[in-house]
Amino acid sequence: GAVVSQHPSWVICKSGTSVKIECRSLDFQATTMFWYRQFPKQSLMLMATSNEGSKATYEQGVEKDKFLINHASLTLSTLTVTSAHPEDSSFYICSASPRQDNQPQHFGDGTRLSIL
Amino acid sequence: KQEVTQIPAALSVPEGENLVLNCSFTDSAIYNLQWFRQDPGKGLTSLLLIQSSQREQTSGRLNASLDKSSGRSTLYIAASQPGDSATYLCAASGGGNKLTFGTGTQLKVEL
Repeated sequence: GAVVSQHPSWVICKSGTSVKIECRSLDFQATTMFWYRQFPKQSLMLMATSNEGSKATYEQGVEKDKFLINHASLTLSTLTVTSAHPEDSSFYICSASPRQDNQPQHFGDGTRLSIL
Repeated sequence: KQEVTQIPAALSVPEGENLVLNCSFTDSAIYNLQWFRQDPGKGLTSLLLIQSSQREQTSGRLNASLDKSSGRSTLYIAASQPGDSATYLCAASGGGNKLTFGTGTQLKVEL
């Protein structure tokens, strides 16, 4: 089946640093990738939709200057949390969708981000 | 704005029992509805996807149904096993393949 690789799986860093998370589709071309955030005991909340070769579309309330998304190729999207603070600590999950609309999304294993 | 709710929030059953998880959504204009499993600290595993034109999907001991008119979906798990213990999430797919996730049901199957 389709595989999405997310890296790193876990990161701890000091407040004020920037953290980059990678999401790769390993065996299919992903026109669209999605980034979600999940707080403990809560469901996934969509942060932004990333389309290859164009600017990401952010959901209401998500700061685009805080969460930088780059989708430079059909197999890679990156999320950079800039100047991270403790309130940014969360579980971040990406998903990728093949070219066709309304096809199932395939999810990465997530990144646990802890800001000290 | 789509809202997805799951009931119950948590469920504990003895091994071997059949069980039903419920999912309701407010906007019936969906393309599909998916059920996922999430183990603690892990990503999502897709279990079943029901297209808007379908009524149900089956995979092994799992059966998912969809009633768009009433805004409901159910996930039926037959002969539950301890390995089924996880959080189960449903998600409704709207325009642009955006998923709106439910609040989840945390299932524990006890020996």
